[in-house]
Amino acid sequence: SQTIHQWPATLVQPVGSPLSLECTVEGTSNPNLYWYRQAAGRGLQLLFYSVGIGQISSEVPQNLSASRPQDRQFILSSKKLLLSDSGFYLCAWNRQSSYNSPLHFGNGTRLTVT
Amino acid sequence: QKEVEQNSGPLSVPEGAIASLNCTYSDRGSQSFFWYRQYSGKSPELIMSIYSNGDKEDGRFTAQLNKASQYVSLLIRDSQPSDSATYLCAGRYYGNNRLAFGKGNQVVVIP
Repeated sequence: SQTIHQWPATLVQPVGSPLSLECTVEGTSNPNLYWYRQAAGRGLQLLFYSVGIGQISSEVPQNLSASRPQDRQFILSSKKLLLSDSGFYLCAWNRQSSYNSPLHFGNGTRLTVT
Repeated sequence: QKEVEQNSGPLSVPEGAIASLNCTYSDRGSQSFFWYRQYSGKSPELIMSIYSNGDKEDGRFTAQLNKASQYVSLLIRDSQPSDSATYLCAGRYYGNNRLAFGKGNQVVVIP
């Protein structure tokens, strides 16, 4: 069976500090990978998605970046965090070549920028 | 812009009643739809997928898709306090890897 791991679960970082969130998927190969953010009381905002190693599509211009160094690894980064970066960050995956494939989410990282 | 909308406010239902949630979408090219449940502070979990017109039942949950009217609904029968959560509707459009999510509907089941 497939599992998705995301860490850390919670993070408190000062404004201007760097960020690195990591996500890995097990039990499948060549998945689509996604980073979402959910601000308090808000809907899910797609930040990045990837269909393969080194292939990243950005949905929202901001101070965040994503990388996919390995097939099942997806990393969300920032060089300098802003207060507005606070939120619940979710990594997700689904199968390629299947429009009926739902997204499966990791447990999320709750980021508080102080 | 392709959108999925969930316009209803919080829904309070007594335990044992039916909770009904609705979702509309803007693009007739939409292909597949999903309902997720999200408990407070947790990540969304998939509860139903539906791709064809009509009803799909899974336990106490029934998803309904009407492509002509461009809406998707979720019925929760015999609602339990454990069903208290936010329910997210999502749709995928043909030729697109991404899911468009609604903002969610909060359901509160009152014992």
